[in-house]
Amino acid sequence: GAVVSQHPSRVICKSGTSVKIECRSLDFQATTMFWYRQFPKKSLMLMATSNEGSKATYEQGVEKDKFLINHASLTLSTLTVTSAHPEDSSFYICSADRTDNNEQYFGPGTRLTVT
Amino acid sequence: DAKTTQPNSMESNEEEPVHLPCNHSTISGTDYIHWYRQLPSQGPEYVIHGLTSNVNNRMASLAIAEDRKSSTLILHRATLRDAAVYYCILRAPNAGNMLTFGGGTRLMVKP
Repeated sequence: GAVVSQHPSRVICKSGTSVKIECRSLDFQATTMFWYRQFPKKSLMLMATSNEGSKATYEQGVEKDKFLINHASLTLSTLTVTSAHPEDSSFYICSADRTDNNEQYFGPGTRLTVT
Repeated sequence: DAKTTQPNSMESNEEEPVHLPCNHSTISGTDYIHWYRQLPSQGPEYVIHGLTSNVNNRMASLAIAEDRKSSTLILHRATLRDAAVYYCILRAPNAGNMLTFGGGTRLMVKP
């Protein structure tokens, strides 16, 4: 089946630094990818929709200057958490939309810890 | 977004069938019913989806009520590896294909 990968799987960074998370669709092209964050024991919250070749669409309350999204190719989207703070510590999950079968595939997630 | 309502948690015995209910009384005529599950510390995994007719695949069956206001995910023989949070989601075509996750049902499987 279709596979979506994320890198890194976990990262620890110091407060004030930036972290980039990559999301790749390995065997299909995805014009649209989505970024979610998930706090412990909570459900996934959509942060933004990433469209190949155009600007991302952010959900209400998500700062676009803090969470930079780039979708430069049909198989790669990146999320950069800029000037990270401890409250940004969370589980970040991406998904890729496969248009030929109306299914959405999720990556394994990236656990970010900001110290 | 059309909302879904699921029980917070359910318990099952290993190797017994499990019926996970979902209410979606505000579903529109074009909304697909999708089910995903999430194992601990992993991303969600697609389980099954349907529109009007019941659906079967290697993972589960989906029974959709005739009025489409509810559906049931059926795991025919629960295993310990089926312990996860199961999300029932309505997906509108041509609406950005985004998925809105509710609280889901935490399924616990007892040996």
